[in-house]
Amino acid sequence: EPEVTQTPSHQVTQMGQEVILRCVPISNHLYFYWYRQILGQKVEFLVSFYNNEISEKSEIFDDQFSVERPDGSNFTLKIRSTKLEDSAMYFCASSERRTGQTLGTQYFGPGTRLTVL
Amino acid sequence: RKEVEQDPGPFNVPEGATVAFNCTYSNSASQSFFWYRQDCRKEPKLLMSVYSSGNEDGRFTAQLNRASQYISLLIRDSKLSDSATYLCVVNTPGNTPLVFGKGTRLSVIA
Repeated sequence: EPEVTQTPSHQVTQMGQEVILRCVPISNHLYFYWYRQILGQKVEFLVSFYNNEISEKSEIFDDQFSVERPDGSNFTLKIRSTKLEDSAMYFCASSERRTGQTLGTQYFGPGTRLTVL
Repeated sequence: RKEVEQDPGPFNVPEGATVAFNCTYSNSASQSFFWYRQDCRKEPKLLMSVYSSGNEDGRFTAQLNRASQYISLLIRDSKLSDSATYLCVVNTPGNTPLVFGKGTRLSVIA
């Protein structure tokens, strides 16, 4: 069964450093998402991406964050200058169609645990 | 007011028990509803979508009450492997984000 993959599984970085989290969505999916989950908290939406552009973003997704689809398979989240409060699990998700439509189910990757020291 | 509210639990139940989880959502425009399951430090996995007429998948039954903005999940004949956090999730038409509740933790005990 196809699945979303993410690398690395765990990233440790120093405050102020840049990190890039990588995701490979399911191959025939057209909608891509990033969510984060701070330890003990709920899963929170960051950004959605369709047709090579951001379609929606939350207030969490400020100028420190950016997303890119550099080739036909990868989808990346970059945090330019990490802060302690960026420590969280970051989940990538993808769906074949828009959420709410048939085939709009979002499938999640296993996550990258980001620790900012 | 929180967008999606759930009783955090934990619910500790013996194997074979029936357990029910409830969830309320604040946005009356919400149209799509889901239960996801999340194991400790793992990703959310879709358990089932929730339809207006209610739906059943094996031991799991989901109900939706739009008037009360209330969703439920019933698990019959609980198994040890059902131990997880159950996430109530909603989506509003025209928007892509899923809005998650904080989850209800279930522990099934032998």
